[in-house]
Amino acid sequence: RKEVEQDPGPFNVPEGATVAFNCTYSNSASQSFFWYRQDCRKEPKLLMSVYSSGNEDGRFTAQLNRASQYISLLIRDSKLSDSATYLCVANRGSTLGRLYFGRGTQLTVWP
Amino acid sequence: GAGVSQTPSNKVTEKGKYVELRCDPISGHTALYWYRQSLGQGPEFLIYFQGTGAADDSGLPNDRFFAVRPEGSVSTLKIQRTERGDSAVYLCASIARDRGTEAFFGQGTRLTVV
Repeated sequence: RKEVEQDPGPFNVPEGATVAFNCTYSNSASQSFFWYRQDCRKEPKLLMSVYSSGNEDGRFTAQLNRASQYISLLIRDSKLSDSATYLCVANRGSTLGRLYFGRGTQLTVWP
Repeated sequence: GAGVSQTPSNKVTEKGKYVELRCDPISGHTALYWYRQSLGQGPEFLIYFQGTGAADDSGLPNDRFFAVRPEGSVSTLKIQRTERGDSAVYLCASIARDRGTEAFFGQGTRLTVV
């Protein structure tokens, strides 16, 4: 079983829609969690960290449920520029160490 | 430079040849990672350096793969006797230990083994 599992999609939504992505991690020792964004043929870039209390950054909200080993990302008021692949990432250490990536969820926002 | 630099950006090699991929991390970043990514998949961990030493090399698929970081800065990923299955984008990332956990990735080296 992979360390981090994601539904690969694709998700195709109209501009202005709300879309949610889910991710599960298999190792309860995982301590740090992130969402990365990857545009086509580009490198991954950090979108946001995920905290136990949940956190919000503009239109993006991330949630962590440690009991269920589940992470989510909610995008409100989708923009065309949100079209990308969203990678769920877990880290067993509190700071550094091996980062485990999911396979990514592809999002296309259409006008 | 301001970001992580990887060279070459593209490499085409014949099956059985030896290749070296180079990564220049952000200056001062102590942690350096190598990942590889195949089409439609997430980055797959290969090796992680803390300074000059490999802190975790458990992701290297076999002994044809080797990586070094002799001075704690630039790293080289070396692949011997390349196989077609080695074709992928090889990504390098670095992290500043004292500034949180954001991994900054280079644009990758696209390796094609023909």
